[in-house]
Amino acid sequence: EDQVTQSPEALRLQEGESSSLNCSYTVSGLRGLFWYRQDPGKGPEFLFTLYSAGEEKEKERLKATLTKKESFLHITAPKPEDSATYLCAVQASRSKLTFGKGITLSVRP
Amino acid sequence: NAGVTQTPKFQVLKTGQSMTLQCAQDMNHNSMYWYRQDPGMGLRLIYYSASEGTTDKGEVPNGYNVSRLNKREFSLRLESAAPSQTSVYFCASQASSYNSPLHFGNGTRLTVT
Repeated sequence: EDQVTQSPEALRLQEGESSSLNCSYTVSGLRGLFWYRQDPGKGPEFLFTLYSAGEEKEKERLKATLTKKESFLHITAPKPEDSATYLCAVQASRSKLTFGKGITLSVRP
Repeated sequence: NAGVTQTPKFQVLKTGQSMTLQCAQDMNHNSMYWYRQDPGMGLRLIYYSASEGTTDKGEVPNGYNVSRLNKREFSLRLESAAPSQTSVYFCASQASSYNSPLHFGNGTRLTVT
């Protein structure tokens, strides 16, 4: 059975304090690993897709990396507007996109 | 470009009532999905439609039905609502390649009393 575990459940950072969010997964044949950002009262917003181990993607203060067992979302010098819930999902087939429970990030000014 | 639009945004039902959640996308995507999101549970797939004219069950289909009305629209129906169906419901669409990202609407917050 495909599984996605995100840690920690919640993370509180000071503005400018860099950190990483973890997504550990087990899947039968990874087709893609996705990172989404979700703001309160909104739907998830797509950030990155990673397809193979060693791949990296960057967007502003965010950098996503992928190994055969886990993915990290690195946040460099975060700002309060980076506060959100970050979701990780792995896809093995069309009907099997498995989401983690999310990491709630709070960045204090 | 609206993306994925869901209506209504909020709904309160009594146990046993029925309702249909509407979803439309304007990105010409082939695939559409219905998820529910509950605290501590993550997003769970209810039904999906890989293309116009086809629908399939997901992880938690019991108590729901769907209709892929055309390429743009995918509706979710609760025939007899139960308190366990209190949740936030998200519709999503996806381009042809099944490992391309999903695009989500902003959800319908449903309470069943």
